Amino acid sequence: EVQLVESGGALIQPGRSLRLSCAASGLTFEEYAMHWVRQAPGKGLEWVSGLNWNSATIAYADSVKGRFTISRDNAKKSLYLQMNSLRPEDTAFYYCAKGPVGDSYWYFDLWGRGTLVTVSS
Amino acid sequence: DIQMTQSPSSLSSSVGDRVTISCRASQSISIYLNWYQQKPGKAPKLLIAGASSLERGVPSRFSGSGSGTDFTLTISNLQPEDFATYYCQQSYSFPLTFGGGTKVEIK
Repeated sequence: EVQLVESGGALIQPGRSLRLSCAASGLTFEEYAMHWVRQAPGKGLEWVSGLNWNSATIAYADSVKGRFTISRDNAKKSLYLQMNSLRPEDTAFYYCAKGPVGDSYWYFDLWGRGTLVTVSS
Repeated sequence: DIQMTQSPSSLSSSVGDRVTISCRASQSISIYLNWYQQKPGKAPKLLIAGASSLERGVPSRFSGSGSGTDFTLTISNLQPEDFATYYCQQSYSFPLTFGGGTKVEIK
């Protein structure tokens, strides 16, 4: 079965750091761009960050630039999001999402179930 | 950044109705526009990519149209399982951005 499974969500204090992981299975992970998309409870979707298959192209939303770092390990079929200097407004469900084959198509054709990050003192 | 504006933000319709959701980009994005469906407590699901290409397995009652700045998602013959929130997303340039969503409710 093709799936993405996120982990690492937690309740954490403002200013602290957290690392999210996404494990892929049932697909040739190294062929696809990967992304993180978040959704605050009861709110809309916000793209956070994405990178292409070989990490040559990496992009961030302005709201997380300089605080979050996306990375991938193709050998482990895993995607990561290192989140530093967390703020209450970072509270959200974080979804791992896969892009289609190719470097020119930045949309999301497979999503994980999400992991909840709550930033609160 | 490219702003995506959806309208309406919510609508009420009956089973069998035809529903139209609009999405407008703040600048031309060619056909780099995608549509997602999200049901409560679930991850979003891709319906349409490239403005009008139906994702495999998505029922043909869903269709998309438009180019440039104005796009439309149409659901013909609305079914009970179609009551959900729909989002558009531009893939023309970074940062990738979503519309605010349209919640389709049962009348």
